[in-house]
Amino acid sequence: GENVEQHPSTLSVQEGDSAVIKCTYSDSASNYFPWYKQELGKRPQLIIDIRSNVGEKKDQRIAVTLNKTAKHFSLHITETQPEDSAVYFCAATLNTGGFKTIFGAGTRLFVKA
Amino acid sequence: NAGVTQTPKFQVLKTGQSMTLQCAQDMNHNSMYWYRQDPGMGLRLIYYSASEGTTDKGEVPNGYNVSRLNKREFSLRLESAAPSQTSVYFCASRPEGTLTGEQFFGPGTRLTVL
Repeated sequence: GENVEQHPSTLSVQEGDSAVIKCTYSDSASNYFPWYKQELGKRPQLIIDIRSNVGEKKDQRIAVTLNKTAKHFSLHITETQPEDSAVYFCAATLNTGGFKTIFGAGTRLFVKA
Repeated sequence: NAGVTQTPKFQVLKTGQSMTLQCAQDMNHNSMYWYRQDPGMGLRLIYYSASEGTTDKGEVPNGYNVSRLNKREFSLRLESAAPSQTSVYFCASRPEGTLTGEQFFGPGTRLTVL
């Protein structure tokens, strides 16, 4: 089955710097890759996503890139702010009739003011 | 719209006890999911349901059963709870017929098994 690996597990950056989180997936049939942000004690919420027929997508300070050949995708956050501090999860989705989604283990991002 | 709701919010069980976690959504979504979240392990898929009357195993189904009672409700049952099932459980749903798009999560149930 699908396996998603995410690195690093913890990331600490200075406010204003960029943060990059990387994920790899194992099943080449996966064709949708969302990223979720989870603040402490809250539920995960979608921040950006990308389909397998797109190489890059950007939304203000957040961008995601996808390399289908290498089966890896990355989240880029520029000009980080303290409110970006949270746990970020990547995921890969297979169309099995129920759109099975497998998550990475998460990256805890700390943005120091 | 309440979105995705879960009950209870907190639960403490003794080893061997059984319980059912309830989940309901009012967004007319077809697909529903149960995840567990352990520290450092991310969200692991327990079971999912593509539509009313269908369920499929996820990554960690052992020790759990599910019921898709109708389009709105998807329950998770622990028949004989074990300490290894101590976790935060999230239910989620996805809009009908779409691969892309947000999974909407419930607020979670924090379960402790002693």
